[in-house]
Amino acid sequence: NAGVTQTPKFQVLKTGQSMTLQCAQDMNHNSMYWYRQDPGMGLRLIYYSASEGTTDKGEVPNGYNVSRLNKREFSLRLESAAPSQTSVYFCASGRTVQETQYFGPGTRLLVL
Amino acid sequence: AQTVTQSQPEMSVQEAETVTLSCTYDTSESNYYLFWYKQPPSRQMILVIRQEAYKQQNATENRFSVNFQKAAKSFSLKISDSQLGDTAMYFCAFMKLFSSGSARQLTFGSGTQLTVLP
Repeated sequence: NAGVTQTPKFQVLKTGQSMTLQCAQDMNHNSMYWYRQDPGMGLRLIYYSASEGTTDKGEVPNGYNVSRLNKREFSLRLESAAPSQTSVYFCASGRTVQETQYFGPGTRLLVL
Repeated sequence: AQTVTQSQPEMSVQEAETVTLSCTYDTSESNYYLFWYKQPPSRQMILVIRQEAYKQQNATENRFSVNFQKAAKSFSLKISDSQLGDTAMYFCAFMKLFSSGSARQLTFGSGTQLTVLP
């Protein structure tokens, strides 16, 4: 039981490049989330998916898109990366939106 | 909007001693959850403890316990018998509950870096 997994662990992009961060969970959770963590700050919610087939914006959605591919997988896409998107990205999942969230190991993204 | 404040950016404690991390929050909600998450140098976010606001009894998990003061909107974490492996950034987080069942959002504080000294 791996819990929540994320790929890649680290990525360097040039401004304007695109990439997709992958997240998968094997806990049969319904809800999944994407957060970003900037230095000296707590995590902020980018997008979430309350259940398979639904996605909604969080606190800081601009510049991102998401896809809930199936119950297990929830991807985050940066269409045109900007230096302001340099951050550590965390995926999380929960049994339902009313339940505790469990986090993946994070992806460090550097946009030059 | 909810806010979560952790006023202690850094703290240290001697191994085997007890330390308390502070957290205050501001909300007009009556139903919510509060959490403490731990982030060690590996950067993994690990759930430490959860408190439901409707429960008067303070949550405990082995060496970790909370002092939940709902009226004062205070939620402190006490770590007893501190261990070197407790060295980490600790985040307090708030989740409000909507009666409609719509999605909850975690609001995090800025964190407290705890160092356990040998």
